[in-house]
Formats: sequence, C-alpha cells, structure tokens
Amino acid sequence: EDQVTQSPEALRLQEGESSSLNCSYTVSGLRGLFWYRQDPGKGPEFLFTLYSAGEEKEKERLKATLTKKESFLHITAPKPEDSATYLCAGEPGQGGSEKLVFGKGTKLTVNP
Amino acid sequence: DTGVSQNPRHKITKRGQNVTFRCDPISEHNRLYWYRQTLGQGPEFLTYFQNEAQLEKSRLLSDRFSAERPKGSFSTLEIQRTEQGDSAMYLCASSSRYEQYFGPGTRLTVT
Repeated sequence: EDQVTQSPEALRLQEGESSSLNCSYTVSGLRGLFWYRQDPGKGPEFLFTLYSAGEEKEKERLKATLTKKESFLHITAPKPEDSATYLCAGEPGQGGSEKLVFGKGTKLTVNP
Repeated sequence: DTGVSQNPRHKITKRGQNVTFRCDPISEHNRLYWYRQTLGQGPEFLTYFQNEAQLEKSRLLSDRFSAERPKGSFSTLEIQRTEQGDSAMYLCASSSRYEQYFGPGTRLTVT
C-alpha cells in the first residue's frame, strides 16, 4: 500500500534558525513528489514538484530535495510568516492513477 | 481571481440531511479532484474527473457520496443521509496534468 510519512509532526524554531523537514515514501512507481503549504482553515498551496532522485528546487527560503526513498524540505533563516503546516504527497505511477497520497504534515512554528 | 473556488465555505447540517458542495476549477484545467481532510490528517483522495468522465473513485467514497462534472466544467459533490463521521474539510483541486491546485475547501459540520 502506498504510504507517505512525515517527521517531525511538529517543529518549533526561532526566527533565523535553519532546519529540515523529512518526508519518507513507499509509493509504487513514484511519478512525482509534491510539497504543499497549508495555513489554518485554508486549502493547500502548491510549492514544489520533484520528479527524479537528485533533483532540487528552491523558492525564497525553501529548498526541496529528493532521493529514492525520501524528500527533504530545507528552511533557511525562517521568518514568522513561514509558520504553517507543510504537506508532502506522492503520485503513484502505476495503474494510471492520478491521485495524490499525502502525509499527515509537519506543523512548523517560527517564533520571533 | 482565477484560482479554484468552492461554495459554500462552511456548512452545518443535521444528521440524516443531504448536502451538496460545488467546485469551480481553474478555467483551462481539464482534471478535477475531490479530497477530504480531517483535523491533524493530510487530505485523502475521494474521486477524480478528466473532463466529464469520472475515472477513479476511492473506496472511501461510499454509496452515500456522489460526484458529477457535467460538461467538464464545475463539479458537485453530494452526500446523502449525512453522518457525524462525515464532518471534515472537503477540498477540490484542479490541474492541466501534474501540479494540483487546491481551492479553499468547504468545512462540513454534521450535528
């Protein structure tokens, strides 16, 4: 069964304190690995798609990387406005499915 | 605003009533998805349309749930005979192929 596991469940940082969020996956024939940001009471906001091991993408203070078993979301010098839940999702590549399989998310709090 | 829109944003209903939600996708997107999210969990896939064809349904989608996408434009999700366990955020997403863009969701509370 396809599964995505995120760690830690919650992370509290001081402003400027860099860290990484982990997403490990067992998704059959992974077609793509997606990162989303979700603020309370809102829908997920698309951040990145990664397609192959070794790929990296960056956006402002965020950088996403992908290996054959896991993905990392690196946050450099975070600011309080980076506080949100970060969701990781995999798209299985077998059976023609286009659904996303999500992890439970990591709730990030950045204190000023 | 050209993003995905969902209506209503909030719905409170009594157990046993029927409810219907609407999703308007990004105009050029031919794919539309429904997900359900409960507190502390990631979204769970419910169903997927390509144009007007419903191509995939999760086993989570019991026979009380039905989704349509007439003419391949907006979509509706109906829940019949609601149960307290149906309380959740119902999310709609659309895509032209890979990246799925989500709407703000409809929060359903069943009392």
